[in-house]
Amino acid sequence: GAVVSQHPSWVICKSGTSVKIECRSLDFQATTMFWYRQFPKQSLMLMATSNEGSKATYEQGVEKDKFLINHASLTLSTLTVTSAHPEDSSFYICSARKFPAQETQYFGPGTRLLVL
Amino acid sequence: DAKTTQPTSMDCAEGRAANLPCNHSTISGNEYVYWYRQIHSQGPQYIIHGLKNNETNEMASLIITEDRKSSTLILPHATLRDTAVYYCIAIGGSQGNLIFGKGTKLSVKP
Repeated sequence: GAVVSQHPSWVICKSGTSVKIECRSLDFQATTMFWYRQFPKQSLMLMATSNEGSKATYEQGVEKDKFLINHASLTLSTLTVTSAHPEDSSFYICSARKFPAQETQYFGPGTRLLVL
Repeated sequence: DAKTTQPTSMDCAEGRAANLPCNHSTISGNEYVYWYRQIHSQGPQYIIHGLKNNETNEMASLIITEDRKSSTLILPHATLRDTAVYYCIAIGGSQGNLIFGKGTKLSVKP
């Protein structure tokens, strides 16, 4: 199998606070993990790519100081939304590629963030 | 990675085959064709992928034309649970990133 989990599945926070989202590959090791964001009625947008033990690569227009990504092990990546604002409310989805490097990405169930 | 073009929406009767087309006329020789689907409010689910040859798994079949400029995803016996947005993506090897377009919204009707 290739199961990816995310925690929490949904979170509500106050404006100005930080929120951490975890992404875990449960039954495989992941060379690379990806973070996407999806607004209502829109497609997924890639935010950043992270490889275990190295800094994440952010897509154009994504603030690296606002969206902190840590990929400390081959099974865990975290996304921290710092100083969250209402416009950061979205559906955040991670995906992972198996180790050794393969093309197929497997996605987590997503985390719905609502910033009040 | 090559751009793909898909119809915005399609309907299919429950129990019938759903054939979802995808054009990728600029695909290069090392790019795979991947299909994912996203059921409402869930993360995308991997369906199938291929390079040149037709592929089949427990979920679907993928038919790629000989010139590789287009492909068709076939769900042989669509059920109501197959209602989702289906994405066709051309991606080059383990270094490529999945870039999602708008996909095809498939509605399976009783």
